[in-house]
Amino acid sequence: DAKTTQPNSMESNEEEPVHLPCNHSTISGTDYIHWYRQLPSQGPEYVIHGLTSNVNNRMASLAIAEDRKSSTLILHRATLRDAAVYYCILRPRGSGDKLTFGTGTRLAVRP
Amino acid sequence: ETGVTQTPRHLVMGMTNKKSLKCEQHLGHNAMYWYKQSAKKPLELMFVYNFKEQTENNSVPSRFSPECPNSSHLFLHLHTLQPEDSALYLCASSRGGAGAFTGELFFGEGSRLTVL
Repeated sequence: DAKTTQPNSMESNEEEPVHLPCNHSTISGTDYIHWYRQLPSQGPEYVIHGLTSNVNNRMASLAIAEDRKSSTLILHRATLRDAAVYYCILRPRGSGDKLTFGTGTRLAVRP
Repeated sequence: ETGVTQTPRHLVMGMTNKKSLKCEQHLGHNAMYWYKQSAKKPLELMFVYNFKEQTENNSVPSRFSPECPNSSHLFLHLHTLQPEDSALYLCASSRGGAGAFTGELFFGEGSRLTVL
């Protein structure tokens, strides 16, 4: 299975945009890109996912590179509640809903 | 009540005890999962159930015994555990079923297990 690489940690200021990068240079053409986040003392929660095109939802935007070897999760205005570990996950088509989590990026938000 | 509910939230047990973790989902989903999250390690998938049938066991030791009596309930029976089994055990559910896979899992808040 293809692997993802994320920075261990990042910091941002409250009310500023945050760009969380993910490298997946060995991604296959049928792998979906998923992002989850895990707030302190909670289970992970779904953020967004995409295949080839950029995606927007109420929580975030997902920008996927044209060659699909990297992607960026964009939080448009960080709040203190966005402090969490963010996971970038590749899900092969045909693997059901099974997800393999990595170590993610721990995002700290400064007031 | 909505979402995925796990009980108990905290559990302390000795190595010779037998206990169970319970998970219940009120989302009408057909697939349920157990994950283990140890300190400083990524989440590890343990078991997958689809329509009450176990479809995946990730080489989990037999001292962990899952049970899925229906699509809404999932149990993890624990016996003769080791201290290294201390971790956060997370349950998740998804729509499941052929053609309905979206990669969107809904997680509970987890059961924090300490084995003495």
